[in-house]
Amino acid sequence: NAGVTQTPKFQVLKTGQSMTLQCAQDMNHEYMSWYRQDPGMGLRLIHYSVGAGITDQGEVPNGYNVSRSTTEDFPLRLLSAAPSQTSVYFCASSYLTQGQETQYFGPGTRLLVL
Amino acid sequence: GQQVMQIPQYQHVQEGEDFTTYCNSSTTLSNIQWYKQRPGGHPVFLIQLVKSGEVKKQKRLTFQFGEAKKNSSLHITATQTTDVGTYFCAGREYGNKLVFGAGTILRVKS
Repeated sequence: NAGVTQTPKFQVLKTGQSMTLQCAQDMNHEYMSWYRQDPGMGLRLIHYSVGAGITDQGEVPNGYNVSRSTTEDFPLRLLSAAPSQTSVYFCASSYLTQGQETQYFGPGTRLLVL
Repeated sequence: GQQVMQIPQYQHVQEGEDFTTYCNSSTTLSNIQWYKQRPGGHPVFLIQLVKSGEVKKQKRLTFQFGEAKKNSSLHITATQTTDVGTYFCAGREYGNKLVFGAGTILRVKS
């Protein structure tokens, strides 16, 4: 299993540009999430999905869109990039069994918005 | 909204010394999770605690969940250079989203 994969690894955008961060998992997990990580602030939840066709907002959803057409893929779209969106973005997938949740993170995408 | 506070923000220890990081939630949690992130890497799941007063051990790591299910701690005995990284707690309220603490950065001097 490849686990959780993310592309690209690095990206530089100009203010106002749009782009999609890709995320895929091959573990057949129902739950997937997008986080951003900024220095001193831990990880903040952007959007999450509990299954194909179902998405919901996290703590910091503004400026981002998601969709979940398949179990495997959960892309994150930046509609009009702003310097405040400079961050490291992590995608994660998780499964729940007998009350125990285990979450796996992808390697991350480092985004710089100029 | 729910807040998860983690202290200390940073700790630098001599190899062989013990290390503890503490996590406090503003609300009662259904579970708490702990993650480790190496410099330049991604968070890696360590453990989940669910029961009030629960204590779990993984080799030199001891995890505790408070009786009120609002606080937790991670204790590392006799730190090694391989323990270097940032340790995050993440708390989940019943039926709600997972909220991460800001993390504790551990540096180990050999």
